[in-house]
Amino acid sequence: DQQVKQNSPSLSVQEGRISILNCDYTNSMFDYFLWYKKYPAEGPTFLISISSIKDKNEDGRFTVFLNKSAKHLSLHIVPSQPGDSAVYFCAAGLTGANSKLTFGKGITLSVRP
Amino acid sequence: DTAVSQTPKYLVTQMGNDKSIKCEQNLGHDTMYWYKQDSKKFLKIMFSYNNKELIINETVPNRFSPKSPDKAHLNLHINSLELGDSAVYFCASSQERRTIEAFFGQGTRLTVV
Repeated sequence: DQQVKQNSPSLSVQEGRISILNCDYTNSMFDYFLWYKKYPAEGPTFLISISSIKDKNEDGRFTVFLNKSAKHLSLHIVPSQPGDSAVYFCAAGLTGANSKLTFGKGITLSVRP
Repeated sequence: DTAVSQTPKYLVTQMGNDKSIKCEQNLGHDTMYWYKQDSKKFLKIMFSYNNKELIINETVPNRFSPKSPDKAHLNLHINSLELGDSAVYFCASSQERRTIEAFFGQGTRLTVV
């Protein structure tokens, strides 16, 4: 039972354009959402997060949007750079004691020079 | 100066052997985790420890035994290794009371032959 879904396995974007990575979740109890970036042979690196009380969080070129009614979040990268090429994991969790993250399967982003 | 470090990075061993993976974090976090990334690329939580106390055990076979000698270390011992244990194992840590962002180690690729 996948509670966090990233339905597109890959995305290819031209350098300088916008990358939009999508994520859906089924558990309405989740109150915190995160994006991680992962290069081959490395661990996931935290990128950006959003609390369920917000609908947008921005950090430089990265913006995460949350649509709670649709149980959907997206990560926008503008402008995309070749160094952004990596696997991006969406994760969700519950704040408080005994918290844990539930991850999606990941999406491979390729940014073409 | 690595925040979450785990050793070894690669581990190849025969079925039936017992092996350990070590993890250390220097972030001062009070919670540590073990995640498993299987062949389908899902990252799934196995265990979490808070201040050396087991908090989460996600129906992992009892051949897997985590040990936390102090809150900066969480080791994973695996008995009687099976082919299906082949995966990448990630250690992570977080400071739960502030956020649930977890910081990951570089992973240990375990191959059971």
